[in-house]
Amino acid sequence: GESVGLHLPTLSVQEGDNSIINCAYSNSASDYFIWYKQESGKGPQFIIDIRSNMDKRQGQRVTVLLNKTVKHLSLQIAATQPGDSAVYFCAENSGGSNYKLTFGKGTLLTVNP
Amino acid sequence: DAGVIQSPRHEVTEMGQEVTLRCKPISGHDYLFWYRQTMMRGLELLIYFNNNVPIDDSGMPEDRFSAKMPNASFSTLKIQPSEPRDSAVYFCASSLDVLVYGYTFGSGTRLTVV
Repeated sequence: GESVGLHLPTLSVQEGDNSIINCAYSNSASDYFIWYKQESGKGPQFIIDIRSNMDKRQGQRVTVLLNKTVKHLSLQIAATQPGDSAVYFCAENSGGSNYKLTFGKGTLLTVNP
Repeated sequence: DAGVIQSPRHEVTEMGQEVTLRCKPISGHDYLFWYRQTMMRGLELLIYFNNNVPIDDSGMPEDRFSAKMPNASFSTLKIQPSEPRDSAVYFCASSLDVLVYGYTFGSGTRLTVV
């Protein structure tokens, strides 16, 4: 039969609202996390990172929160703009001598003007 | 800095043909990664190199896939013979220090095998 495509979680917000995108990661040994933004037709772009010894990190209009107890990561975007419309991925690295990033499935954010 | 450069941007080929995807990493980046993105499976790591040496190729689907990095400024991903299920967007990424800067991705090559 026909393959079923990946069903991306979607979030639709109004311009100017705050957005919260969530990610559940899989590996309790992961100690470094990154949020990437992917616009249509482009490669993923680094937004912000956080290490496991932190629970919050802020950038320009973005904040990442890490809850290691429940293996949960969130990305908060303040005053969301139409240019923020994209797919957002969380990525994790399990540390040690491993330099691979494992990516989550992604969330499609749509900002309505 | 021109970033990570991939070529071609689009490739359409017939089943059974050989396909070669190319990547030029950012100068000075010691790590190079090849990922494949599909709707079905998302972003999957195929292989990565450190200082031109393949470190982990556990994600390479099968023997039809091969990757090389003959020098610090060039890498190829080859599929021979290609199959329709290889249709995907293939990304190359490079990094100076993964655990400090993450990766910088190229714009990808969209491969369609008919």
